[in-house]
Amino acid sequence: EPEVTQTPSHQVTQMGQEVILRCVPISNHLYFYWYRQILGQKVEFLVSFYNNEISEKSEIFDDQFSVERPDGSNFTLKIRSTKLEDSAMYFCASSENGNSPLHFGNGTRLTVT
Amino acid sequence: RKEVEQDPGPFNVPEGATVAFNCTYSNSASQSFFWYRQDCRKEPKLLMSVYSSGNEDGRFTAQLNRASQYISLLIRDSKLSDSATYLCVVNNMNRDDKIIFGKGTRLHILP
Repeated sequence: EPEVTQTPSHQVTQMGQEVILRCVPISNHLYFYWYRQILGQKVEFLVSFYNNEISEKSEIFDDQFSVERPDGSNFTLKIRSTKLEDSAMYFCASSENGNSPLHFGNGTRLTVT
Repeated sequence: RKEVEQDPGPFNVPEGATVAFNCTYSNSASQSFFWYRQDCRKEPKLLMSVYSSGNEDGRFTAQLNRASQYISLLIRDSKLSDSATYLCVVNNMNRDDKIIFGKGTRLHILP
């Protein structure tokens, strides 16, 4: 069964550094998402991406965040200057269309020290 | 009113018992609904979509009540492996295409 893959599985970075989290969505899917989950808290929407542009973003997704689909297969989330409170599990997801269920990757655990 | 609400639990249920959770949503225009399960420190995994007429998948039954704006999940003959957090997910499909997760209901199946 096709799956969403994310790398790295764990990223440790110092406050103020830039990080790039990578995702390869399922190949025939058209909608891509980033979510995050702080330990013990709910899954929070960050951004959705369709047709090579952001279709929606949450209040969390401020100027420090950006997404890119550079080559038709990878979907990346960049955090320009990480803060301690960015420490969380970041999940990438994709779906076939806007109404179908999301398929999640295994997540990247980001630790900002 | 929060967009998607769930009883956080935990529900502590003996193995073999039947357990049910509800989830309420605030946007009457919501169009699609899902139940996901999430194991500790893992990604959410799709358990089942919820259809208007209700649907069943083995021991799991999902129902949608549009009038009262809730969905439910029933687990029959619960197994130890059913222990997880169950997430209610609502797709509003408005112009913002927003998919909202509930905080989840924790289920512990007791041997």
